[in-house]
Amino acid sequence: ETGVTQTPRHLVMGMTNKKSLKCEQHLGHNAMYWYKQSAKKPLELMFVYSLEERVENNSVPSRFSPECPNSSHLFLHLHTLQPEDSALYLCASGREGWDEQFFGPGTRLTVL
Amino acid sequence: KQEVTQIPAALSVPEGENLVLNCSFTDSAIYNLQWFRQDPGKGLTSLLLIQSSQREQTSGRLNASLDKSSGRSTLYIAASQPGDSATYLCAVRGNTYGGGSNYKLTFGKGTLLTVNP
Repeated sequence: ETGVTQTPRHLVMGMTNKKSLKCEQHLGHNAMYWYKQSAKKPLELMFVYSLEERVENNSVPSRFSPECPNSSHLFLHLHTLQPEDSALYLCASGREGWDEQFFGPGTRLTVL
Repeated sequence: KQEVTQIPAALSVPEGENLVLNCSFTDSAIYNLQWFRQDPGKGLTSLLLIQSSQREQTSGRLNASLDKSSGRSTLYIAASQPGDSATYLCAVRGNTYGGGSNYKLTFGKGTLLTVNP
């Protein structure tokens, strides 16, 4: 399988649930990103990992917790989310922060 | 703080027409600019990447130009087709070294293009 994949594609969760989003890239990149896309708003960068270290946290609430165990995998752990966190969550990867970014298909998250 | 604006927000054209999408940014200190396409409910597909030293890039029926000093980019689509219908997003990467800000892409809200058969 090539490119950037994300699972699950759709997720519905209650405010007290704990869930995780997964991203995997098969492009040999060493930087990975989480973005949030809400209705009527531009894409917002959430987190950046470069060489498995977090290099950017864009003032994201602690109910979102990223994890990057290796350069091919990125997780976003979710707990006690709010309805306003419902959005499309996109993962992207690239080479060491300076090059093109390639995006996955996204996870459509609904928080009830 | 970098801000990216895309005009128009929505555009509807008949098939075969040539069209131009506009993108403007407030801080001209950019490293590169990237145009993406997004189909409804889907991820982003990279269309063209223009480095700050370049003036334009072409791929098939697409041509993107960059005027860094004036903070503008345009995406020209020739002979539009119904399959071109999507949201087109413009994003700029900052040129500030260190602190992680060089990783950040700032996006516009996009232009929703509809090409009618």
